[in-house]
Amino acid sequence: SYELTQPPSVSVSPGQTARITCSADTLPNQYVYWYQQKPGQAPLLVMFKDTRRPSGIPERFSGSSSGTTVTLTISGVQAEDEADYYCQSADNSGSYILFGGGTKLTVL
Amino acid sequence: EVQLEQSGAQVKKPGESLKISCEGSGYRFPSYWIGWVRQMPGKGLELMGIIYPGDSDIRYSPSFQGQVTISVDKSINTAYLQWSSLKASDTATYYCARLDSCFSCWYFDLWGRGTPVTVSS
Repeated sequence: SYELTQPPSVSVSPGQTARITCSADTLPNQYVYWYQQKPGQAPLLVMFKDTRRPSGIPERFSGSSSGTTVTLTISGVQAEDEADYYCQSADNSGSYILFGGGTKLTVL
Repeated sequence: EVQLEQSGAQVKKPGESLKISCEGSGYRFPSYWIGWVRQMPGKGLELMGIIYPGDSDIRYSPSFQGQVTISVDKSINTAYLQWSSLKASDTATYYCARLDSCFSCWYFDLWGRGTPVTVSS
């Protein structure tokens, strides 16, 4: 088994760039997915296969991967981006599907 | 419209049983895994298990094995999550979500709105 490690919180001012990381020793061999969850709402997929953005997700959301760390970057953060963000990964067979602990993004 | 419709909020007493549902529509329900995800108040997302409606293949996360039962009725495009004896610690919102899968990729591309469950004496 493995764990996905995220920082508990990230704070940025409007217009700045927010970077949320997700780390695990197994990540060089697995894709990471990112979900945004606003209070009282279901999670929403905002990034898949490390760097691919689903349709309808603003271009200010991007993803990158380097070694054992995958990063969700939000450029030009807006107030509406304030939410909890969760990374998720899985082994190739789907036997282990795991969420990170979540990161609360605060827009100051 | 592609969606997952979950059953409504529940208030139960400890020791009671419960079965909540998740109906898929707008897509070929038997062909996609469905996962159940727990979110306790103020906490993160935890995968409880997944089921493939096509053949009822079920995989439980270790923490939830023996604690809940996941099932499906593909004739009515509905997945279920049930408890035989609820505990106060089962108080949470439960989401069903569709898994999109390919070789080396597994992710939740469609979510239900969640079913809040409160267990209190």
